[in-house]
Amino acid sequence: ETGVTQTPRHLVMGMTNKKSLKCEQHLGHNAMYWYKQSAKKPLELMFVYSLEERVENNSVPSRFSPECPNSSHLFLHLHTLQPEDSALYLCASSQDLPGGNNSPLHFGNGTRLTVT
Amino acid sequence: KQEVTQIPAALSVPEGENLVLNCSFTDSAIYNLQWFRQDPGKGLTSLLLIQSSQREQTSGRLNASLDKSSGRSTLYIAASQPGDSATYLCAGSQGGSEKLVFGKGTKLTVNP
Repeated sequence: ETGVTQTPRHLVMGMTNKKSLKCEQHLGHNAMYWYKQSAKKPLELMFVYSLEERVENNSVPSRFSPECPNSSHLFLHLHTLQPEDSALYLCASSQDLPGGNNSPLHFGNGTRLTVT
Repeated sequence: KQEVTQIPAALSVPEGENLVLNCSFTDSAIYNLQWFRQDPGKGLTSLLLIQSSQREQTSGRLNASLDKSSGRSTLYIAASQPGDSATYLCAGSQGGSEKLVFGKGTKLTVNP
């Protein structure tokens, strides 16, 4: 069983809806991440939080809004999405940032998002 | 901009075969490197982490190596089993960066 839990597992939303993805890690890690995985493309880093502070915003459209209320929880708020935003959204955590102390990433099982 | 290439994109082998998956980086200045596996509909599972001071890591039937002079890594799987069927991804970071850059993966099928 993964130490990173994501809900919901599947989400279908219309272009005018507002929804949120939730991620919770039970590993005591300091860093949390949102990644987007689209078919036939490498994983794309969206956001990085370290100790609840955003340290990376990888040119993500404003229709995606992250929130990190504490070191164990991470949200991705979605509004007015486009069909091309349909993808698998993966949350991950690590003890420290990748460029620091060599700590592996632990991933959740993702939320499969379909925008209609 | 760092880019990662994984070769082959797909591989099908009979059970029991030893195999090698390849990963190369356009910028060879890799700080640390991870190999992951991903099962259909699931997230990524970390297999091996080669830290900045290391060149190789082993776990059971898996061995990963990193040649920092060329920016190439290989994942060696010994005595493959049907349960090894999955997509294998490599990812690397550069010193001082929060970004882990991923390849597109190699889809492995081990036939019984």
